[in-house]
Amino acid sequence: DQQVKQNSPSLSVQEGRISILNCDYTNSMFDYFLWYKKYPAEGPTFLISISSIKDKNEDGRFTVFLNKSAKHLSLHIVPSQPGDSAVYFCAAAAAGNKLTFGGGTRVLVKP
Amino acid sequence: GAGVSQSPSNKVTEKGKDVELRCDPISGHTALYWYRQSLGQGLEFLIYFQGNSAPDKSGLPSDRFSAERTGGSVSTLTIQRTQQEDSAVYLCASSLARRSSYGYTFGSGTRLTVV
Repeated sequence: DQQVKQNSPSLSVQEGRISILNCDYTNSMFDYFLWYKKYPAEGPTFLISISSIKDKNEDGRFTVFLNKSAKHLSLHIVPSQPGDSAVYFCAAAAAGNKLTFGGGTRVLVKP
Repeated sequence: GAGVSQSPSNKVTEKGKDVELRCDPISGHTALYWYRQSLGQGLEFLIYFQGNSAPDKSGLPSDRFSAERTGGSVSTLTIQRTQQEDSAVYLCASSLARRSSYGYTFGSGTRLTVV
């Protein structure tokens, strides 16, 4: 039972354009959501998070949007840069510290 | 240390052998987690330690897998009688275990290959 799903395994975008990554979840108890970025041979690193009491959180070029009624969140990266090429994981938590991760989306930013 | 340290970084083992993977969390982090990432897959939760509480072992895939955390610090994940499907990158993470601090710090992982 995959509680957190990232339906797009890969995304290719031109440098300078917007990257939009999507994530869907099924567990209505999830109340905190995060995005992680992973480069090859490295552990994932925390990127941005959002609490369920908000619908948007912005940090520089990264913005996360949460639509609770649709159980959907998205990550916008604008403008995309070649260094953003990585695998991005969506994660969610419910009243505790254990995170449930999605399958990841591989982003390629073309110069 | 400054980050989460995992050893070894790579391990090749023969099917049927036992392996031990080690994780040194960030000093002061009370929560420690093990995840694994199989080829082309997402991060699969294995086990979670929080302070002196009983660990959450709900993600361990079989009784061949076990983990312990000694003195609230270093953790060892043991896989007995390894199988080829155990091949994956095993990731350890630690955190302050506060709801305001879900930002786990991950180690670089141990790539386990069972041949």
